[in-house]
Amino acid sequence: SQQGEEDPQALSIQEGENATMNCSYKTSINNLQWYRQNSGRGLVHLILIRSNEREKHSGRLRVTLDTSKKSSSLLITASRAADTASYFCATDAVQAGANNLFFGTGTRLTVIP
Amino acid sequence: DAGITQSPRHKVTETGTPVTLRCHQTENHRYMYWYRQDPGHGLRLIHYSYGVKDTDKGEVSDGYSVSRSKTEDFLLTLESATSSQTSVYFCAISAIQETQYFGPGTRLLVL
Repeated sequence: SQQGEEDPQALSIQEGENATMNCSYKTSINNLQWYRQNSGRGLVHLILIRSNEREKHSGRLRVTLDTSKKSSSLLITASRAADTASYFCATDAVQAGANNLFFGTGTRLTVIP
Repeated sequence: DAGITQSPRHKVTETGTPVTLRCHQTENHRYMYWYRQDPGHGLRLIHYSYGVKDTDKGEVSDGYSVSRSKTEDFLLTLESATSSQTSVYFCAISAIQETQYFGPGTRLLVL
């Protein structure tokens, strides 16, 4: 399967600390995306990084991509209680076509006030 | 969830009955998708559409069919519901083949 895998499965930190989540995938990609899901809600797009990019920032989010290792990381700096959610990476697959996004099983982040 | 609605939001049905879930968008996006989300599996693509009457299968399409007769509506039909189809179903849309925007989900329980 092309499905990515996030690590860790669950992460609990204190408010103000940084949170790092990792994603590994299996085949060549065009881009990798990170999504967030609050409990009982749909997914919300956070950031997209293309295969020719190594790092991207958006507010308190920093994403890195290492295509040689087929891995990505999402860093949330200065976490807030409102960041509590599940975070998913999603990859397309060059051979599968851009319509097929493959999601990992997610990292459940809990930020303790 | 703005611009995307799913109906119903919750449904309980019995094994063997047909079920249709509706996704409606007001964004006029070309691409529409149906996913299911199950513990331990993340989201998996069931079917997608790249235009009116243009659809294709995803990773887990067996037991599901779709139809798109208008740009704004994408229907997912479980032809004969089974307990293994108990899941949370998400619709998503995209204007180009990249960022997807998700609806609020439909919780389906098949008894």
